[in-house]
Amino acid sequence: AQSVTQPDIHITVSEGASLELRCNYSYGATPYLFWYVQSPGQGLQLLLKYFSGDTLVQGIKGFEAEFKRSQSSFNLRKPSVHWSDAAEYFCAVGEEGGFKTIFGAGTRLFVKA
Amino acid sequence: GAGVSQSPSNKVTEKGKDVELRCDPISGHTALYWYRQRLGQGLEFLIYFQGNSAPDKSGLPSDRFSAERTGESVSTLTIQRTQQEDSAVYLCASSFGQGQEKLFFGSGTQLSVL
Repeated sequence: AQSVTQPDIHITVSEGASLELRCNYSYGATPYLFWYVQSPGQGLQLLLKYFSGDTLVQGIKGFEAEFKRSQSSFNLRKPSVHWSDAAEYFCAVGEEGGFKTIFGAGTRLFVKA
Repeated sequence: GAGVSQSPSNKVTEKGKDVELRCDPISGHTALYWYRQRLGQGLEFLIYFQGNSAPDKSGLPSDRFSAERTGESVSTLTIQRTQQEDSAVYLCASSFGQGQEKLFFGSGTQLSVL
């Protein structure tokens, strides 16, 4: 069965610093991978997704993620964090040809001035 | 509407009462999903609709939970005889239903069972 692990429950970074949020997945075939963000008082919004092709995926708000099959990882990165990036981030995996999307437990990002 | 709409946004109920949560998906979206998010936890898949058919109900926690959908429109999630452990945010999402693709989420219903 598919599963998603986000090892870090919360992370604090300084504004302007770089960010990497970790995500590991378990899935037998080629997964569909997603990162969603949940800002306070708002619904979840898709940041980026990976289906196939280039393993480095660019998303909105300056985020990117890299699919590494050998490590079963799909880590989210941003070169310079802004205070408005403070939110909860969810990694998710879906099955090819299927419909169910499984979400990780989330990582809450705190940004300090 | 422009996005996925859920109502009510907040619901406080007493243990043992039934509650009904509503979701209006984006027009034209054939797929509709319900997830549950307990405090400090990730999203737990409950049920998926393709049109008004529910191919996968495996995520429903117990027989107290049920859901239905009218055509490719409104869906209702009903929880009977609510328990305190049902307290959570219930999120609805919709998509065009053509396989794995972007989900559009509503703002959720915060359910509190006293």
